[in-house]
Amino acid sequence: NAGVTQTPKFQVLKTGQSMTLQCAQDMNHEYMSWYRQDPGMGLRLIHYSVGAGITDQGEVPNGYNVSRSTTEDFPLRLLSAAPSQTSVYFCASGPYPREEQYFGPGTRLTVT
Amino acid sequence: KQEVTQIPAALSVPEGENLVLNCSFTDSAIYNLQWFRQDPGKGLTSLLLIQSSQREQTSGRLNASLDKSSGRSTLYIAASQPGDSATYLCAVKGGGSNYKLTFGKGTLLTVNP
Repeated sequence: NAGVTQTPKFQVLKTGQSMTLQCAQDMNHEYMSWYRQDPGMGLRLIHYSVGAGITDQGEVPNGYNVSRSTTEDFPLRLLSAAPSQTSVYFCASGPYPREEQYFGPGTRLTVT
Repeated sequence: KQEVTQIPAALSVPEGENLVLNCSFTDSAIYNLQWFRQDPGKGLTSLLLIQSSQREQTSGRLNASLDKSSGRSTLYIAASQPGDSATYLCAVKGGGSNYKLTFGKGTLLTVNP
């Protein structure tokens, strides 16, 4: 199993641009989530999904959209990038919301 | 609102030493607690998961304990090695319909040869 994969590893955007961070898992996990990690802040939940077609907001959802059309994929869309969205983004998955969570390698995003 | 604190923020020890990392949380109504390891520039690797009904979990040289009523967990690392150098993160999963993992800010561990 590849586990949780994320692309790209690094990305630089200009303010106002949009992009999609990709996340995929091959463990047939129902639960997937996105976190951002900022210095001194810890990891914070952006959005999550408990299964295909079902998504919900986390702690810091503003400026981000998600959809879950398949069990395997959970892309995160930045609608209009802002410097405040400069961060490292992690995707995670687990069999169920309350079971062990497995994290991807992260995407380091810089917005100038 | 759940808050997770990890003490110390950084720790430097000589190789071979046994050490304890601490994690405390403010709301004892948790479903489970998970310890992760993060190497510089890398993702999070799950080390141990303790359910709220459990007192401890062990994996190799690692032992994690949980005292839910007092809001504390410890990660014990035996016979530390330079390869153990990393940031260790503690995260709690809330009860009810709260699916969020609340993370501490981590302890940066350096094991010196």
